Amino acid sequence: DAGITQSPRHKVTETGTPVTLRCHQTENHRYMYWYRQDPGHGLRLIHYSYGVKDTDKGEVSDGYSVSRSKTEDFLLTLESATSSQTSVYFCAIGQATFSGANVLTFGAGSRLTVL
Amino acid sequence: DAKTTQPTSMDCAEGRAANLPCNHSTISGNEYVYWYRQIHSQGPQYIIHGLKNNETNEMASLIITEDRKSSTLILPHATLRDTAVYYCIVRVNYGQNFVFGPGTRLSVLP
Repeated sequence: DAGITQSPRHKVTETGTPVTLRCHQTENHRYMYWYRQDPGHGLRLIHYSYGVKDTDKGEVSDGYSVSRSKTEDFLLTLESATSSQTSVYFCAIGQATFSGANVLTFGAGSRLTVL
Repeated sequence: DAKTTQPTSMDCAEGRAANLPCNHSTISGNEYVYWYRQIHSQGPQYIIHGLKNNETNEMASLIITEDRKSSTLILPHATLRDTAVYYCIVRVNYGQNFVFGPGTRLSVLP
């Protein structure tokens, strides 16, 4: 376990409300990622971060913003939640290996339901 | 974009070897192939990765063809707890987007 904690683990909210998911790590890794998982789509990258205040978009970033003010925390915000954002959200950290590979370690997931 | 192709599902008898294939014909020259698995709705779990040579760790073996266009993950003695969705993934254009397709649903049967 790489010390990754996601919160909340489950959330039900209404369309139009803001939602923030938190990913917390305890091992000072530089790279952090947010993925969403939907039936038939596998996992899709939303945003990632390569350091404090350094973030970039993934393939499904519309409707999401992120922030990383501290190494240990990577926040995913839905400014105005829509039903299409009902999903399971996974945070991951990236660990470089001696050979130059980048191994991801995932959190337990946050299940979000937007009514 | 580098993508992978895997069978949708496979069955394996408990105690036998499970061989999961993956095609990644567009993989870039210096990109690794990574394998993960996901049990029920848990977060994906890293299994193994490789570049050109075959690799083995305590969980599995990875066989990569010489032309690097395909690979096979081998679970030498599958158990019921190995029932999961297995993902073969590569990065896109050396970036940070690790593309997870639908994967292979492996069912280990008693």
